[in-house]
Amino acid sequence: DGGITQSPKYLFRKEGQNVTLSCEQNLNHDAMYWYRQDPGQGLRLIYYSQIVNDFQKGDIAEGYSVSREKKESFPLTVTSAQKNPTAFYLCASPPLTGPGDYGYTFGSGTRLTVV
Amino acid sequence: AQSVAQPEDQVNVAEGNPLTVKCTYSVSGNPYLFWYVQYPNRGLQFLLKYITGDNLVKGSYGFEAEFNKSQTSFHLKKPSALVSDSALYFCAVRALNSGNTPLVFGKGTRLSVIA
Repeated sequence: DGGITQSPKYLFRKEGQNVTLSCEQNLNHDAMYWYRQDPGQGLRLIYYSQIVNDFQKGDIAEGYSVSREKKESFPLTVTSAQKNPTAFYLCASPPLTGPGDYGYTFGSGTRLTVV
Repeated sequence: AQSVAQPEDQVNVAEGNPLTVKCTYSVSGNPYLFWYVQYPNRGLQFLLKYITGDNLVKGSYGFEAEFNKSQTSFHLKKPSALVSDSALYFCAVRALNSGNTPLVFGKGTRLSVIA
């Protein structure tokens, strides 16, 4: 089945450490997005990429970085500059023609905890 | 700018009773509206969408939503709630003619259906 795979499911980060969250899709979609979810705050957009080798900052990009070297992959790095990284991170992708008939496909998420 | 408001953090309803989860939105031009559901430690799942046409939209699992342009609302409804409907519900919007810009999500409403 086509879908989005996020790994790992759980991730623990020490203070001052950079960590990378993986997002892979086999949907052949051009666009991929990263959202951060905190209790009571909904989903906030971190970075998004509409096409390979291009990406834009979202609403809360500070302390994060991304790359889009392949269509299938959009990894997110949480850097030491992100002071409050504990959250649930979701990767998503819209269909080729925009949100389409079923909107975004979401991955199952990565829960990041600072220890 | 686009925005979504979900005025209730929590909605409690008895099993078998009708349920409503409220959503209001703000966009320039015509809206493209979605409802998603999230179960614990999972990604979001598509429930239904509104683009144009009938103001009453039917979706997955017996849910429906009513679009009201004059009140800029898109409330989610179900005639008879099930305990298994207990989850976190998100409303999302973008302007219909804004290209493939990312959806803006509300903060979410937690639905609790009590047996």
